[in-house]
Amino acid sequence: DAGVTQSPTHLIKTRGQQVTLRCSPKSGHDTVSWYQQALGQGPQFIFQYYEEEERQRGNFPDRFSGHQFPNYSSELNVNALLLGDSALYLCASTRYGTSGNSGTQYFGPGTRLLVL
Amino acid sequence: LAKTTQPISMDSYEGQEVNITCSHNNIATNDYITWYQQFPSQGPRFIIQGYKTKVTNEVASLFIPADRKSSTLSLPRVSLSDTAVYYCLVGSSGSARQLTFGSGTQLTVLP
Repeated sequence: DAGVTQSPTHLIKTRGQQVTLRCSPKSGHDTVSWYQQALGQGPQFIFQYYEEEERQRGNFPDRFSGHQFPNYSSELNVNALLLGDSALYLCASTRYGTSGNSGTQYFGPGTRLLVL
Repeated sequence: LAKTTQPISMDSYEGQEVNITCSHNNIATNDYITWYQQFPSQGPRFIIQGYKTKVTNEVASLFIPADRKSSTLSLPRVSLSDTAVYYCLVGSSGSARQLTFGSGTQLTVLP
């Protein structure tokens, strides 16, 4: 049973460019959340997707957008990259409507983005 | 959202029991307490979740006093591989919730 997978593992971009990160949820999961983790800090919630729609959003600008596909996989897009966007981007999946231990969010290994 | 406070760092030796305490004075009635572990350059991994009293699994125990204003994660007989950042989170137990992470506790296990 594959867990949450993310691609690419590492990425280097320059300021002003655009980037797309990809996530495949754990088997049986239909909800995907994205988090940004700056060095030395805890992950910060970006947004969550369920049924191909953005359901919740954290305090991130519109430069951050996403998409969920019918197979539940998801993409995170960041436009007009800034130096401050350099971080580890984490994807987490779960099964919508569950709670307790069944509602646990499983994280992928992340994509390390460096903006120069 | 309830705010949590944890020690920034802790050191321990192999084979010892480690207790990490988290304060959450403003915890709401329907909030659960969840702990995650994170190794460098990896995503957080769920350790344990509880609502009150004591919860134990194969990895750790979670102690929650009656007032629920704090909780203690207990790791029995730690090894070098337990060196990681440990996060205490407070919120609903629903799968749709956004997880709010603090800065966590860096646990370093020494030989």
